[in-house]
Amino acid sequence: GENVEQHPSTLSVQEGDSAVIKCTYSDSASNYFPWYKQELGKRPQLIIDIRSNVGEKKDQRIAVTLNKTAKHFSLHITETQPEDSAVYFCAAKWQNTPLVFGKGTRLSVIA
Amino acid sequence: DGGITQSPKYLFRKEGQNVTLSCEQNLNHDAMYWYRQDPGQGLRLIYYSQIVNDFQKGDIAEGYSVSREKKESFPLTVTSAQKNPTAFYLCASSDVGTGTAYGYTFGSGTRLTVV
Repeated sequence: GENVEQHPSTLSVQEGDSAVIKCTYSDSASNYFPWYKQELGKRPQLIIDIRSNVGEKKDQRIAVTLNKTAKHFSLHITETQPEDSAVYFCAAKWQNTPLVFGKGTRLSVIA
Repeated sequence: DGGITQSPKYLFRKEGQNVTLSCEQNLNHDAMYWYRQDPGQGLRLIYYSQIVNDFQKGDIAEGYSVSREKKESFPLTVTSAQKNPTAFYLCASSDVGTGTAYGYTFGSGTRLTVV
């Protein structure tokens, strides 16, 4: 089955700097890769996703890149702000199979 | 307000008790899922269902049971066989498509504590 590895587990950045979180997946059939943000005690919220027919997707300060050959995808947050502090999860799936999640990255943005 | 509702928000279980966590959605989603979240472990799949009256085990199904009698509802029972049930439980739902994949909408979670 699918396995998703996520790095780093914790990340601290200065406000205004960029943050990058990386994930690798094992199943080459996976074709959908979402990223979720979870604030303390709250539900995970989808922030961006990418499908396997696209190499990059951007939404304001957030971007995701996908390298199908290497089986890895990354989340990029530019001009970080204190409200970006949260736990971020990557995930992967193929069509209607359940999402398989990485173990999460705790991002701290220091003002 | 369309969405997915979990109840209760907090639940306390005594040793040897079964407890049931509720999950209801009004998004008309075919698929529903239960995940368990422990610190540093990410989200681990317990059970999922893609159609009424059918469900499949996930990676950590032992000590849990589910039912899917209605499209809107997917309750999770934590049985006394689950030896370490203290965790944050998340329910999610999604569309099911042919040849495409959809993301999840999550409920707000139930925090279960053994006392």
